[in-house]
Amino acid sequence: DAGITQSPRYKITETGRQVTLMCHQTWSHSYMFWYRQDLGHGLRLIYYSAAADITDKGEVSDGYVVSRSKTENFPLTLESATRSQTSVYFCASRGTDGSYEQYFGPGTRLTVT
Amino acid sequence: GEDVEQSLFLSVREGDSSVINCTYTDSSSTYLYWYKQEPGAGLQLLTYIFSNMDMKQDQRLTVLLNKKDKHLSLRIADTQTGDSAIYFCAESNTGNQFYFGTGTSLTVIP
Repeated sequence: DAGITQSPRYKITETGRQVTLMCHQTWSHSYMFWYRQDLGHGLRLIYYSAAADITDKGEVSDGYVVSRSKTENFPLTLESATRSQTSVYFCASRGTDGSYEQYFGPGTRLTVT
Repeated sequence: GEDVEQSLFLSVREGDSSVINCTYTDSSSTYLYWYKQEPGAGLQLLTYIFSNMDMKQDQRLTVLLNKKDKHLSLRIADTQTGDSAIYFCAESNTGNQFYFGTGTSLTVIP
């Protein structure tokens, strides 16, 4: 299917466990992004990537790790999950046209117990 | 990070116009965006405006930008029940870092 997909859509994990959220896009977009959405905060950028093997921190990167070995995939790993990381996580991508328009995935709802 | 602020709730009657407001702090913003989020879904771009523009119209949507006051608004004409959603404004200077508002929940009353 064309577009941007995220998996899993729902995940419950325990404090201290490692969990990886997957993001895949089929447009060959250069840029990919991870956001978290929390009530009262809107969306906040966790990490972004300008190309394969190029990643950079966003506003709330502590506790998260990303990698981008292939253009189409951008996994987000919580190395040791904490309750404060309970959130809805959105992946997005964009091309290199002038408008910087982002396309968002459907989101992953993560609960850390 | 940059601050982008929106009111949290707006309620309008079907057929009326809706106006959603947003203020931001980054004077070097290049693009400003309006996204729509329906329940359980990701964000969908509605429209955007380049910082050297004052207004942009796209069918029922009108975006107004007051760069001096760092104020952005989205007007939806003839609001329909299908317009009920959360609306986010966002800004970016570089296309790498995007700053989103907290979202305005629009409820359309039939």
